[in-house]
Amino acid sequence: GENVEQHPSTLSVQEGDSAVIKCTYSDSASNYFPWYKQELGKRPQLIIDIRSNVGEKKDQRIAVTLNKTAKHFSLHITETQPEDSAVYFCAASQGNTPLVFGKGTRLSVIA
Amino acid sequence: NAGVTQTPKFQVLKTGQSMTLQCAQDMNHEYMSWYRQDPGMGLRLIHYSVGAGITDQGEVPNGYNVSRSTTEDFPLRLLSAAPSQTSVYFCASSHRDGGKETQYFGPGTRLLVL
Repeated sequence: GENVEQHPSTLSVQEGDSAVIKCTYSDSASNYFPWYKQELGKRPQLIIDIRSNVGEKKDQRIAVTLNKTAKHFSLHITETQPEDSAVYFCAASQGNTPLVFGKGTRLSVIA
Repeated sequence: NAGVTQTPKFQVLKTGQSMTLQCAQDMNHEYMSWYRQDPGMGLRLIHYSVGAGITDQGEVPNGYNVSRSTTEDFPLRLLSAAPSQTSVYFCASSHRDGGKETQYFGPGTRLLVL
């Protein structure tokens, strides 16, 4: 089955700097890669996703890139703000199978 | 719409006790899932359902049962609670469209097994 590895497990950045979180997946049949954000004490929420027919997708300060050959995808957050502090989860699926989540990255944005 | 609701929010059990975690959604989603979240372990799938009357096991199903008699409800049963089941449990519902799936999570149930 699918296995998703996520790095780093913790990340601290200064406010205004960029943050990058990386994930690798094992199943070449996976074609859907969402990212979820979980604020402290809250439920995870989808922030951006990408399908395998696209190499990059942006939404304001957030972008996701996908390298199908290397089987890895990354979340990029630019101009980080204190409200970006949260745990971020990547996930992968074949589109008709359950999502498999990475173990999460705790991002701290230091003002 | 209330979205995905879960009850209770917090529960303390003694080892060996049984209980049911309730989950309901009002978005008419066909897919529903139960996850447990433990520190450093991410979100691990316990059981999932692709429609009423259909359930399947996820990554960590042992010690848990589910049923899906209606589209709206997806209860999770702990048969004989163990300290290893201390965790935060999230229910989620989703709709798959063109290979894309957005999971809508409930607020979670924090379970402590003594």
